[in-house]
Amino acid sequence: NAGVTQTPKFQVLKTGQSMTLQCAQDMNHEYMSWYRQDPGMGLRLIHYSVGAGITDQGEVPNGYNVSRSTTEDFPLRLLSAAPSQTSVYFCASSYNSEATDTQYFGPGTRLTVL
Amino acid sequence: KNQVEQSPQSLIILEGKNCTLQCNYTVSPFSNLRWYKQDTGRGPVSLTIMTFSENTKSNGRYTATLDADTKQSSLHITASQLSDSASYICVVSEDQLTFGKGTKLSVIP
Repeated sequence: NAGVTQTPKFQVLKTGQSMTLQCAQDMNHEYMSWYRQDPGMGLRLIHYSVGAGITDQGEVPNGYNVSRSTTEDFPLRLLSAAPSQTSVYFCASSYNSEATDTQYFGPGTRLTVL
Repeated sequence: KNQVEQSPQSLIILEGKNCTLQCNYTVSPFSNLRWYKQDTGRGPVSLTIMTFSENTKSNGRYTATLDADTKQSSLHITASQLSDSASYICVVSEDQLTFGKGTKLSVIP
């Protein structure tokens, strides 16, 4: 099992550019989520999905879109990058509910927006 | 707003020594409390998960305790190793997860 994989590891964007952060898991987990981690703050939930075809907003969804067409993949799209979106992004998955089940995190994508 | 507060912010200890990290929370009720270890440049890894009815949970040299009455949890690390250098994050689970800011532990030779 590869677990949770994320690409790219690093990315630099200019303000206004768009891009997609990829996340995939091979554990047949229903629940997947995206977090951002900023210095001096706890991880904050951006979007999550309880299964293929179902997504919902987390604490800080503005500026981000997600879709879940398959169980394995959960990409995060930045529509028009802003410097405030400079952060480290983590994708996570769990078998069922994130609230009750062990969560597995990917290695992260470090994004800088100039 | 539900909060999870961790102390100390950072800690330096000598290899082989024990240490205890603290977590205070206001989330109530909650389904479980977790401790994660996050190495620099990596994603968090789960160490322990305790339901509100559990008092203690161990994972090797890591032992987490929970006092639901005082809304406090601690993570005790025994006989520290250089590889224990990391950030330790306390997370309380209600409908969703509330993450603390973490304690950065440095273990030096």
